[in-house]
Amino acid sequence: KNEVEQSPQNLTAQEGEFITINCSYSVGISALHWLQQHPGGGIVSLFMLSSGKKKHGRLIATINIQEKHSSLHITASHPRDSAVYICAAARRGGTKTSNTDKLIFGTGTRLQVFP
Amino acid sequence: GAGVSQSPSNKVTEKGKDVELRCDPISGHTALYWYRQRLGQGLEFLIYFQGNSAPDKSGLPSDRFSAERTGESVSTLTIQRTQQEDSAVYLCASSLGGFEQETQYFGPGTRLLVL
Repeated sequence: KNEVEQSPQNLTAQEGEFITINCSYSVGISALHWLQQHPGGGIVSLFMLSSGKKKHGRLIATINIQEKHSSLHITASHPRDSAVYICAAARRGGTKTSNTDKLIFGTGTRLQVFP
Repeated sequence: GAGVSQSPSNKVTEKGKDVELRCDPISGHTALYWYRQRLGQGLEFLIYFQGNSAPDKSGLPSDRFSAERTGESVSTLTIQRTQQEDSAVYLCASSLGGFEQETQYFGPGTRLLVL
């Protein structure tokens, strides 16, 4: 079992639909990241969460630390939202003089929004 | 202002040769990250530099890989005696603080092909 699991792996939607992508993790984390990878390969960081909820435009990210679960929601989806969405768990480690922090990635959710 | 830049953008090399990949982070960003993405696969975390802490090299795929960073500026990822399985896009990102504090800004990547 992967330490970070995403669902669904693939998602298709009609323009305007509300979309939810889920991420569950089994490790202790200091933060969780949501990333967007465009069809051309470029990666954009969408959110960094350590608790609660964040909103940016039509995107909302939530995290429940006790349940080790995060969701990314897209309201009023649009074809330009078509991309791979990736969650990544930041696992803290190390001491003041050595750094063993790691970022553990989910396998991604491929979203296609049709007009 | 300039974003994260990487060079070269593309590199084709013969098996057994050494390659050096360069990353210029955003000025003032103390944290710098290297990732790898093989064709059709998810992101892999390689190494993370933060301040003066010694980075944990256990994420590097083999002892043929090494990474250095000069202060809070340029970083280089070196692959010695390249193998075909090293073919991938190598991505660099930077942020103001560590990944438990800040979102990351990604470079465009270096696409490496080992023949």
